[in-house]
Amino acid sequence: GQQVMQIPQYQHVQEGEDFTTYCNSSTTLSNIQWYKQRPGGHPVFLIQLVKSGEVKKQKRLTFQFGEAKKNSSLHITATQTTDVGTYFCAGRNTGTASKLTFGTGTRLQVTL
Amino acid sequence: EAGVTQFPSHSVIEKGQTVTLRCDPISGHDNLYWYRRVMGKEIKFLLHFVKESKQDESGMPNNRFLAERTGGTYSTLKVQPAELEDSGVYFCASSQGTAFGSPLHFGNGTRLTVT
Repeated sequence: GQQVMQIPQYQHVQEGEDFTTYCNSSTTLSNIQWYKQRPGGHPVFLIQLVKSGEVKKQKRLTFQFGEAKKNSSLHITATQTTDVGTYFCAGRNTGTASKLTFGTGTRLQVTL
Repeated sequence: EAGVTQFPSHSVIEKGQTVTLRCDPISGHDNLYWYRRVMGKEIKFLLHFVKESKQDESGMPNNRFLAERTGGTYSTLKVQPAELEDSGVYFCASSQGTAFGSPLHFGNGTRLTVT
């Protein structure tokens, strides 16, 4: 079955440093979504990427979808303590329209 | 607009007992999903309803799990009998459509502990 892996599993940065999480799918994706889960909270939708090579920005966050539509990345510039949480990518493969498969997640810790 | 609500927020039961989780999706959302996160690992798909029909239940771990969505509104997920490995956080999510991926709106989850 489809597998979606993320690296790293965990990263600890100091406030102001940059952070990147990488997402890799075993199958080609029709689209990819990113979610953030704060400690003790629930996943909250951040963004969706659909086109090959697509890049989208949200303030300090930059999302990229790979040319082959099998990988994606999230880059945060100048992290803040409010960025703390677990970041999940989630993708639908081209053969299954309904099922959204979540990645393994990257937990980000930011300290002053 | 009210979000996705789940009840209970926490449940502690003994192995062999039965637990029923409830999810009320956002009004008007035909798509309802159940996911589970175990031990802080990945969020695993359980099943997907479109209105009252099961669209995909490939993630249901075994026949101890039964999900229903009578009338296409709220949904229940029953675990009977519960086993230790069923512990985790059960999330419900809803969305307006699946075509090219509408975002999922998650509830706060039910933390299930089986002792």
